[in-house]
Amino acid sequence: NAGVTQTPKFQVLKTGQSMTLQCAQDMNHNSMYWYRQDPGMGLRLIYYSASEGTTDKGEVPNGYNVSRLNKREFSLRLESAAPSQTSVYFCASSGSAGGPTDTQYFGPGTRLTVL
Amino acid sequence: AQSVTQLDSQVPVFEEAPVELRCNYSSSVSVYLFWYVQYPNQGLQLLLKYLSGSTLVKGINGFEAEFNKSQTSFHLRKPSVHISDTAEYFCAVRISNTGNQFYFGTGTSLTVIP
Repeated sequence: NAGVTQTPKFQVLKTGQSMTLQCAQDMNHNSMYWYRQDPGMGLRLIYYSASEGTTDKGEVPNGYNVSRLNKREFSLRLESAAPSQTSVYFCASSGSAGGPTDTQYFGPGTRLTVL
Repeated sequence: AQSVTQLDSQVPVFEEAPVELRCNYSSSVSVYLFWYVQYPNQGLQLLLKYLSGSTLVKGINGFEAEFNKSQTSFHLRKPSVHISDTAEYFCAVRISNTGNQFYFGTGTSLTVIP
């Protein structure tokens, strides 16, 4: 099993450009998440999807959109990138059971720089 | 509001010495607690978790943590650290009545000095 995979691993954008970060999991998990990690800030939740067909905002959703394409895939889109979106982005998934005791499993991250 | 506080942003410790990484949370309802480790340029890996039962939880790589409800703490400990333990450590909490959201602390950078 690959677990949680993310593409691309690295990306450099110019201000105003758009891009989509891809995430897929092969663990049959119901819930998927997008986080950003910034120095001294820990991980902050951008959006999550509790199950296929649903998405909800997290702590820092502004400037992002998401699509839960199917049970396996959850993408994050930046419509008009800004330097403040320079960060490391992590996708995670959790639980077949879908309850609060489920563990989150993380992908390797995408390092995004916006110039 | 729920929050997780990791009291130390950086912890240097000599090899083979013990270490404690502190984590406190604020919540008035039942919680589930997790510690994750992040090695350089990698994603997060689960070290251990507390769901219920015994308050002393053992995880991978010789780490353990103790849930203290009265102190609202979940401190991570290891009796003897190795160079390979150098990493960033994150405490996280999941609130029993919110289901899906995790709340992460800001992380503690552990540096093991040879």
